[in-house]
Amino acid sequence: AQSVTQLGSHVSVSEGALVLLRCNYSSSVPPYLFWYVQYPNQGLQLLLKYTSAATLVKGINGFEAEFKKSETSFHLTKPSAHMSDAAEYFCAVSGLGGGATNKLIFGTGTLLAVQP
Amino acid sequence: DAGVIQSPRHEVTEMGQEVTLRCKPISGHDYLFWYRQTMMRGLELLIYFNNNVPIDDSGMPEDRFSAKMPNASFSTLKIQPSEPRDSAVYFCASRSGTGVEKLFFGSGTQLSVL
Repeated sequence: AQSVTQLGSHVSVSEGALVLLRCNYSSSVPPYLFWYVQYPNQGLQLLLKYTSAATLVKGINGFEAEFKKSETSFHLTKPSAHMSDAAEYFCAVSGLGGGATNKLIFGTGTLLAVQP
Repeated sequence: DAGVIQSPRHEVTEMGQEVTLRCKPISGHDYLFWYRQTMMRGLELLIYFNNNVPIDDSGMPEDRFSAKMPNASFSTLKIQPSEPRDSAVYFCASRSGTGVEKLFFGSGTQLSVL
């Protein structure tokens, strides 16, 4: 079974400050991990993905995430927040092989607010 | 392509009524997913189809929920009878056979059951 836990349902940062959104995973098979972003009244969009290649993954809009197996973590970071980054962010996991590769399991989401 | 199209965008109904949510996936996509989003539980996978066949419905909360995909371009999620705790945003998503992450989401249906 696979799951992800996102620590902190709400995160607030100042414009220009570091963004850190936390995600820990649980998986009985080597995981694929993803971050999605959801803007108001829209569906989710893929930010970045980890699929067992480089452990530091770069995504769109200046975001990146590092896979740490020893910590079972996949935290999302951005060096400098922009007002347009205000959105809800979801961590997701999928597995290798069989039905596990067919579906994404999402975390409960972290709402990021950016203060001017 | 217009993307994944869901209808209606908003639905307000009374407890006990039947509700039908509709989804048109992106042409050529052979996987279709229904998700439910609530504040308490986040984004939950309800059911998914491959080539119009239901593959995993383990996330469907109870027998009041049913989903069909009569053809490659249309799917419905039905709740009968509806209850206030069904109030949520329901998302449909589709993708092609490769790339589990390459989901394309619709804009969702905001369901309110009074």
